[in-house]
Amino acid sequence: KNEVEQSPQNLTAQEGEFITINCSYSVGISALHWLQQHPGGGIVSLFMLSSGKKKHGRLIATINIQEKHSSLHITASHPRDSAVYICAASTNQFYFGTGTSLTVIP
Amino acid sequence: NAGVTQTPKFRVLKTGQSMTLLCAQDMNHEYMYWYRQDPGMGLRLIHYSVGEGTTAKGEVPDGYNVSRLKKQNFLLGLESAAPSQTSVYFCASSYEGFSPLHFGNGTRLTVT
Repeated sequence: KNEVEQSPQNLTAQEGEFITINCSYSVGISALHWLQQHPGGGIVSLFMLSSGKKKHGRLIATINIQEKHSSLHITASHPRDSAVYICAASTNQFYFGTGTSLTVIP
Repeated sequence: NAGVTQTPKFRVLKTGQSMTLLCAQDMNHEYMYWYRQDPGMGLRLIHYSVGEGTTAKGEVPDGYNVSRLKKQNFLLGLESAAPSQTSVYFCASSYEGFSPLHFGNGTRLTVT
């Protein structure tokens, strides 16, 4: 049983496309996190949110607490956005999704 | 700004050998974690610490031990390595239990 499910598992997009990655969770949360893992392996935290929407540059994260669902959107995608995006739900511990591998083609 | 530093970056062990992975953070974080990442699986928690001198088991603790003698350091030990411990290991730290995680760059361990 996975407490956090992401879709799609893999995603290929043309440069400039609008991208959406989805995350559903089954646990009660304190916050929902979006992480980015580049091919080199390092993991960075993009967003932490517990309600509504947050925006950073071309990245937007939204959460619907009632539906236990979050989305990560990338506007005007670029090849440098190619990475694995990981959703994580935090309660008294972190539950991680298996990640969405995004490839943006020039 | 160093953030979270893991050493070593790569290591190859033979079955039965031992090793220690070192994690150091300079952000004065209370919480520190060791995760392993395997293909097709989410990050899985091995052990964690909520402060200097404390440690607790995570989801997959068997075969590993940890110590947090100083607030800034969190050590992960493998006493007798097994091929099933081939993985990428990440250390992370956070200010509070649900605060954003700060990750190290990972250690790729192969056990033959």
